[in-house]
Amino acid sequence: GIQVEQSPPDLILQEGANSTLRCNFSDSVNNLQWFHQNPWGQLINLFYIPSGTKQNGRLSATTVATERYSLLYISSSQTTDSGVYFCAVGPGGYNKLIFGAGTRLAVHP
Amino acid sequence: KAGVTQTPRYLIKTRGQQVTLSCSPISGHRSVSWYQQTPGQGLQFLFEYFSETQRNKGNFPGRFSGRQFSNSRSEMNVSTLELGDSALYLCASSLAPGAETQYFGPGTRLLVL
Repeated sequence: GIQVEQSPPDLILQEGANSTLRCNFSDSVNNLQWFHQNPWGQLINLFYIPSGTKQNGRLSATTVATERYSLLYISSSQTTDSGVYFCAVGPGGYNKLIFGAGTRLAVHP
Repeated sequence: KAGVTQTPRYLIKTRGQQVTLSCSPISGHRSVSWYQQTPGQGLQFLFEYFSETQRNKGNFPGRFSGRQFSNSRSEMNVSTLELGDSALYLCASSLAPGAETQYFGPGTRLLVL
């Protein structure tokens, strides 16, 4: 099956810093999503981005499907950005998602 | 519009018991998926339902089962609970299979003693 690897596993930032999270996947996919899980366990969808680039406020994401990787950029980080960021991929046509192990982000004031 | 709701939010059971978890999708959403999250295995897909039919199933033993009702609400059942079933169980809903955005509920935290 498809393997999803995320890096780095852990990231500690000072408020205001920028960061880049990476997601590598082992096979072509039709569905790629980024999620943020807050400390209470709630998963929030950030981007649906099987290819191309999208931006939403301080967050942006880029997926290079031909090279099987996706990047999530967080600029001017805030303490509320803390949590775990997951990359998830799927074959398309189904809702089954295969999740990476996540990047745990801690933003300190 | 109300989000995905899951009940109960917390549950404590003992080994050998069975448990039923419920998920109500966002109004108008007809597709529901279930995931298990544990510290050791991460987030793993359990099953996907659409129009009361299971469309996809993850690699879990037959003790894990589910169903979807005509109003799109879904339940999952775990029989003969094991310690390793302790996990956060998450439900996600979307308009239809393959929809771009899936919305996750707050989860049910199950502890098996």
